[in-house]
Amino acid sequence: GNSVTQMEGPVTLSEEAFLTINCTYTATGYPSLFWYVQYPGEGLQLLLKATKADDKGSNKGFEATYRKETTSFHLEKGSVQVSDSAVYFCALELGGYNKLIFGAGTRLAVHP
Amino acid sequence: NAGVTQTPKFRILKIGQSMTLQCTQDMNHNYMYWYRQDPGMGLKLIYYSVGAGITDKGEVPNGYNVSRSTTEDFPLRLELAAPSQTSVYFCASAAPGNQPQHFGDGTRLSIL
Repeated sequence: GNSVTQMEGPVTLSEEAFLTINCTYTATGYPSLFWYVQYPGEGLQLLLKATKADDKGSNKGFEATYRKETTSFHLEKGSVQVSDSAVYFCALELGGYNKLIFGAGTRLAVHP
Repeated sequence: NAGVTQTPKFRILKIGQSMTLQCTQDMNHNYMYWYRQDPGMGLKLIYYSVGAGITDKGEVPNGYNVSRSTTEDFPLRLELAAPSQTSVYFCASAAPGNQPQHFGDGTRLSIL
């Protein structure tokens, strides 16, 4: 079946460090891929998305490239800030009606 | 902008009690969703709706019911609360056409 696998957290970084959060997927077709972010006590917010192979989604300094050959959608940021501390979810949409399948989430903690 | 509003924010129930989690959106979105988020897990889809009068099961529908009498409202009903339903519940909405989902802030439900 369709599924999303993310690297386990927590990921702990110092401010201005480089961030990578790995995400791979299994899908029977050609999904759209998303990264959502959840700040403490809040609902999820869309961070970025990509709808086809080789697309790059970007927002707020975060980037992810849809790699069909490796079925991956890794999230990267060149220089993290304390305000980036949150839980990050990778998700895929396949089969219509915008239904999402989520990974387990990766908690990021950034220290000054 | 209100977006997606969920009530209540917190609730404690006794085993066997029933309750309704409320969700309303003011963006005129056709699609609405209910998810549950268990600790260390991603979100799991409970039910979804593609328009007023139309609902369908998601991945984990057992123990829940929904209705969609208006575009704005999508309540989730627990008839006989069980400890396994202790979770954080999120409602979301989306416009058709691969648009992102917009989430409420969640309802934290404990069943004792």
